[in-house]
Amino acid sequence: DVKVTQSSRYLVKRTGEKVFLECVQDMDHENMFWYRQDPGLGLRLIYFSYDVKMKEKGDIPEGYSVSREKKERFSLILESASTNQTSMYLCATQGLAGVYEQFFGPGTRLTVL
Amino acid sequence: AQSVTQLDSQVPVFEEAPVELRCNYSSSVSVYLFWYVQYPNQGLQLLLKYLSGSTLVESINGFEAEFNKSQTSFHLRKPSVHISDTAEYFCAVTTGFQKLVFGTGTRLLVSP
Repeated sequence: DVKVTQSSRYLVKRTGEKVFLECVQDMDHENMFWYRQDPGLGLRLIYFSYDVKMKEKGDIPEGYSVSREKKERFSLILESASTNQTSMYLCATQGLAGVYEQFFGPGTRLTVL
Repeated sequence: AQSVTQLDSQVPVFEEAPVELRCNYSSSVSVYLFWYVQYPNQGLQLLLKYLSGSTLVESINGFEAEFNKSQTSFHLRKPSVHISDTAEYFCAVTTGFQKLVFGTGTRLLVSP
């Protein structure tokens, strides 16, 4: 089974802090994704990466950056957290074996005060 | 670009009743379709998928979905729901690898 882990289940930060959310997978998948989930808006793609050191903007990249130094690890960075970044953050992975489905981590619920 | 519409934000139903969660998509090319389920305080889990072949696909816990190309729909059904089916359900579409486009979700509330 694919295992996708996220560094924290719950996180509370203050406005202006730099926040790191980490995602690690153990299935050697090439593609990794960061989403945020908000009530009534579903999942919105922030960034994704299809290879080490490669990244692509998703639909809502503003206020975020990412890092992928190793294949198994994909980090989401909030350079200066704001209250409107309070949300559930979900990491997902996807292999290139043609099945197209994504595998999700348990999520990090971030609250910015 | 693809898009997904889940018209019902919430569907209340009694235990053992049938349920249908609606999903419509738009795309100018062939698509692959998915239903994911999210139980409270958890990530998303794949429930079922349509890639090719039979248009009726089933999950191990009694859900099924039918791909209807002419109506651009992929509705999720279960003939008899349980309390444990209470969750949020997301429909998603892709035209190939990489990005999935998700609907806004439908919260299924099963009561005794």
